[in-house]
Amino acid sequence: EAQVTQNPRYLITVTGKKLTVTCSQNMNHEYMSWYRQDPGLGLRQIYYSMNVEVTDKGDVPEGYKVSRKEKRNFPLILESPSPNQTSLYFCASSFTRTGGWTQYFGPGTRLLVL
Amino acid sequence: LAKTTQPISMDSYEGQEVNITCSHNNIATNDYITWYQQFPSQGPRFIIQGYKTKVTNEVASLFIPADRKSSTLSLPRVSLSDTAVYYCLVGVVGGATNKLIFGTGTLLAVQP
Repeated sequence: EAQVTQNPRYLITVTGKKLTVTCSQNMNHEYMSWYRQDPGLGLRQIYYSMNVEVTDKGDVPEGYKVSRKEKRNFPLILESPSPNQTSLYFCASSFTRTGGWTQYFGPGTRLLVL
Repeated sequence: LAKTTQPISMDSYEGQEVNITCSHNNIATNDYITWYQQFPSQGPRFIIQGYKTKVTNEVASLFIPADRKSSTLSLPRVSLSDTAVYYCLVGVVGGATNKLIFGTGTLLAVQP
C-alpha cells in the first residue's frame, strides 16, 4: 500500500530535550516536506526537500532541522524543543514530474512540549 | 506561489451542492490549482486538480474561468461525512519556487 508513515504519532517531551520525528514514504517520491498545523493558522511548511541531499527552508523553519540521506526518509529534528513548538506535524511527499502539486500526507504527529 | 484567499467557513445541509471558491489573482501562466480535504486530526487528502475550464472526478468538480484568477470546488449532494477543511493550493512543480503555501482553508460544516 502506497503510504507516508510518521513516528511517533504522539509525543510529550520537556523543553530542551532533543527529539526526532521520522517520516518514510514507499512511493519513490522525490519531493518530501514537513508542515506544522496550529488552530487558525492552517498548514505551514517547515522544510522541504527536492531530492536526496537537497533541502530548503519553508515558511517557518526556525527551531527545526531536517536531513535527506535516503530518498524514502525525511526526519524532522528539534534539537532544543520549546513550548511554542507544541503542534500537529505532518510529513508529505510527491513526485516532481511536471504538473500541479499532488501531495500525499502522513497521519500526523501530535507533539506537546512542556 | 500565488497567494490564495478562501472563505473561512461555510455551512450546508445534507443533499445540497456546495461550491467553495478560491481567489488567486496572481496565478502564474504554468500554475495548476489543486484542492485538498482534511478531516480533524488527519493529514490532508488530494481531491482534484486542474489547469483550466472544468475537471470532474468521482468526488468533485473543479471550475476554472478563462482568466484563471479564481477557481470553484463543487461538491455534489454533500453528506455529513463531507464536513472537513478544504484547501486550495496554486503552483507548478519546477516553477518559480518549490515552497508550498496552503493558507488557512475553508471549514465546511454539513448539517442534517
